[in-house]
Amino acid sequence: EAQVTQNPRYLITVTGKKLTVTCSQNMNHEYMSWYRQDPGLGLRQIYYSMNVEVTDKGDVPEGYKVSRKEKRNFPLILESPSPNQTSLYFCASSPLRDRSYGYTFGSGTRLTVV
Amino acid sequence: SQQGEEDPQALSIQEGENATMNCSYKTSINNLQWYRQNSGRGLVHLILIRSNEREKHSGRLRVTLDTSKKSSSLLITASRAADTASYFCATDPLISSGSARQLTFGSGTQLTVLP
Repeated sequence: EAQVTQNPRYLITVTGKKLTVTCSQNMNHEYMSWYRQDPGLGLRQIYYSMNVEVTDKGDVPEGYKVSRKEKRNFPLILESPSPNQTSLYFCASSPLRDRSYGYTFGSGTRLTVV
Repeated sequence: SQQGEEDPQALSIQEGENATMNCSYKTSINNLQWYRQNSGRGLVHLILIRSNEREKHSGRLRVTLDTSKKSSSLLITASRAADTASYFCATDPLISSGSARQLTFGSGTQLTVLP
């Protein structure tokens, strides 16, 4: 089944403790992206990647890092999480060139930073 | 940044009625897409309409696009309680080839279908 897999689904952590949210897709998509979703603010893009070793900032990159060492994986790293990063996070992927497809989203990671 | 703006923000209807949601956007687009999100879950792609198309159907979904008014509408016919969800429009901008494809999502319409 074609899918984007995010882990973990839920995560509670303490301020300052480094964490990684994993994202993996099995569709050979070049494009991958991370979003956060907050009430009243909609979906905001954190980082995106057009291919292996090619990443770029989205609208709200502060406090986040990403890497794209393999085509299928695009982990989101919070080096020193803070309470304002409490949010619902989504990873998404799509083909880069074929624009007849939409994005495929993961099921989300609900992060709470205390 | 958000380009698409949905209207209304919330909509409550009875089962069997039709639900119409609207989306307005600002810049030129390659296509416009609609997504559905059940509470706390990932967005699911519903339908894509290209800028040279005016109307598209998929099952109980009907999407229209008016590029002169920079607006789109999503109609769900004969709604069911299971249609209760948030619905988002997303615009795929008209950009040069080789550039990153960046969908911009609206703020969503929360649809509640009462049994």
